[in-house]
Amino acid sequence: AAGVIQSPRHLIKEKRETATLKCYPIPRHDTVYWYQQGPGQDPQFLISFYEKMQSDKGSIPDRFSAQQFSDYHSELNMSSLELGDSALYFCASSLLDTQYFGPGTRLTVL
Amino acid sequence: AQKITQTQPGMFVQEKEAVTLDCTYDTSDPSYGLFWYKQPSSGEMIFLIYQGSYDQQNATEGRYSLNFQKARKSANLVISASQLGDSAMYFCAMREEANAGGTSYGKLTFGQGTILTVHP
Repeated sequence: AAGVIQSPRHLIKEKRETATLKCYPIPRHDTVYWYQQGPGQDPQFLISFYEKMQSDKGSIPDRFSAQQFSDYHSELNMSSLELGDSALYFCASSLLDTQYFGPGTRLTVL
Repeated sequence: AQKITQTQPGMFVQEKEAVTLDCTYDTSDPSYGLFWYKQPSSGEMIFLIYQGSYDQQNATEGRYSLNFQKARKSANLVISASQLGDSAMYFCAMREEANAGGTSYGKLTFGQGTILTVHP
């Protein structure tokens, strides 16, 4: 069965640089979620989209923005990167209740 | 206030034995969902099992079952016949009512996780 695809899988950036993370949800799933998981922590909700419209927002820094495109893929844009942004970023998609997670993008900020 | 509490930072079990991972939750929503995810050392987040707040029966998925006690607000995961490959971090998560302004299902709130180690 098709799964959530995330790219890139690993990303290394310098402080103050910009990063773009991409997510391709499971076909026919109408909701996309982004989560951030810091080292040794549980995942924290950032933002979600339902049918290409933002549906909910969590503790997402103003330096971050996201959108969902007409083909349902989503991108998380992160600017002015800080050391504390180093984390595993998950995208998840759902059609009903269950959220299925992608493999994650591991971002390292140096 | 912590909405999802996993009180066991680490658990050990012998291969082929059963193990219970504890999870308690706090919500005032009448409709919610409870989930368990497995995160191996490789990092991916694998869905294991789901229990809806209105479900009368405890959820089961193969070797996984969810011991749902609504009055006690607990949703413990039971893994039967543990295997070496079950060694991982396990997260309990809750989905409350969706955002009132939207029509999608809501975000997940996770517990702190329990590291399970299966010994041969």
